[in-house]
Amino acid sequence: DTAVSQTPKYLVTQMGNDKSIKCEQNLGHDTMYWYKQDSKKFLKIMFSYNNKELIINETVPNRFSPKSPDKAHLNLHINSLELGDSAVYFCASSRQGSNSPLHFGNGTRLTVT
Amino acid sequence: GQQLNQSPQSMFIQEGEDVSMNCTSSSIFNTWLWYKQDPGEGPVLLIALYKAGELTSNGRLTAQFGITRKDSFLNISASIPSDVGIYFCAGRESGGSNYKLTFGKGTLLTVNP
Repeated sequence: DTAVSQTPKYLVTQMGNDKSIKCEQNLGHDTMYWYKQDSKKFLKIMFSYNNKELIINETVPNRFSPKSPDKAHLNLHINSLELGDSAVYFCASSRQGSNSPLHFGNGTRLTVT
Repeated sequence: GQQLNQSPQSMFIQEGEDVSMNCTSSSIFNTWLWYKQDPGEGPVLLIALYKAGELTSNGRLTAQFGITRKDSFLNISASIPSDVGIYFCAGRESGGSNYKLTFGKGTLLTVNP
């Protein structure tokens, strides 16, 4: 009964490669997010989608392209990976509305060598 | 963008002790949330606060939404070893995007049995 699931859990790749991370939620939520957690554990929002529409793009390089095929899915594709992209990426979802807390997946640890 | 000041950065306590951590912002928030993150997992919601002055408990945890709407605290009473983890405050800025949840930098809690 996983609520927010993301795959893969670990991703090791070389600079210059393109990779994707998938996220699915079965909570019936309208809004989905991608957050990046750096080595100091700071969580920073990257993108927010509501009903498949991009709402927030927090000055993320355009090498990062989110795609939401439906309300339950928000995938993240990264082109031309750089060393600085190494981090843990968290997908999250929430009900629509200002008071709704976020429910997080267990993260994807991306290591770029 | 808006940043939250969370303190302390880390705490090392003995089992059975009480713990207090807090978060402040420079602007007014309309939602305060407290999350806990265990190693290798995503943040999990502990307590959600929606009104100034609100005091909410979840077992041994108690959190309050500050009267000024610019701060919140989390208390843990009678700590146990499984309380170990990183605790994050998070909030939505009043007048800001409903879809943007800003996180503090976390408090790393270590409990010595």
